[in-house]
Amino acid sequence: DGGITQSPKYLFRKEGQNVTLSCEQNLNHDAMYWYRQDPGQGLRLIYYSQIVNDFQKGDIAEGYSVSREKKESFPLTVTSAQKNPTAFYLCASNPGGPNNEQFFGPGTRLTVL
Amino acid sequence: AQKVTQAQTEISVVEKEDVTLDCVYETRDTTYYLFWYKQPPSGELVFLIRRNSFDEQNEISGRYSWNFQKSTSSFNFTITASQVVDSAVYFCALSEAFTSGTYKYIFGTGTRLKVLA
Repeated sequence: DGGITQSPKYLFRKEGQNVTLSCEQNLNHDAMYWYRQDPGQGLRLIYYSQIVNDFQKGDIAEGYSVSREKKESFPLTVTSAQKNPTAFYLCASNPGGPNNEQFFGPGTRLTVL
Repeated sequence: AQKVTQAQTEISVVEKEDVTLDCVYETRDTTYYLFWYKQPPSGELVFLIRRNSFDEQNEISGRYSWNFQKSTSSFNFTITASQVVDSAVYFCALSEAFTSGTYKYIFGTGTRLKVLA
């Protein structure tokens, strides 16, 4: 089945540790996105990539980093510089073009203790 | 800057009632695309509909219907005869394209719909 996988679904980390969230898609989509969701704030864009080896900062990129070495993978690292990392993180992809809808993964809930 | 406003934070209805979720957008583009997504308690967003700026026809899909009005910059979503399974958070989104060729999506803050049995 084609789709987007995010692992793990729940992640716990101690304050000050970097953590990497996985996002893999087998839809052959060019574009991939990372969003953060906090209660009552909707989805906020962290980073996006519309082609391999290239990515752009979104609206809240500080404290995060990404890589796009393969078309199917777009991992997100939450660094210790991110002041409030506890949130629900969603990965999405689309085949390319602003006219296409996004396909979303199941999300990872990160809790920093 | 582009913006999407969903003024209704939370709506509660009794099963079988009709309910309309409002979405108002701001854009300077003449060509743009609007979307609705549903986020059930499991967390994964599910695509419902896409509309481009040149197509103002209303659309109906089963109990769901969408009303797109460019004159008021609105793209409202109506659920007829609501059911408990409709309980979810619903997001309206607008795609924003740049001269560089890149594009991104702007989401509203979502409306939480609770359908009571």
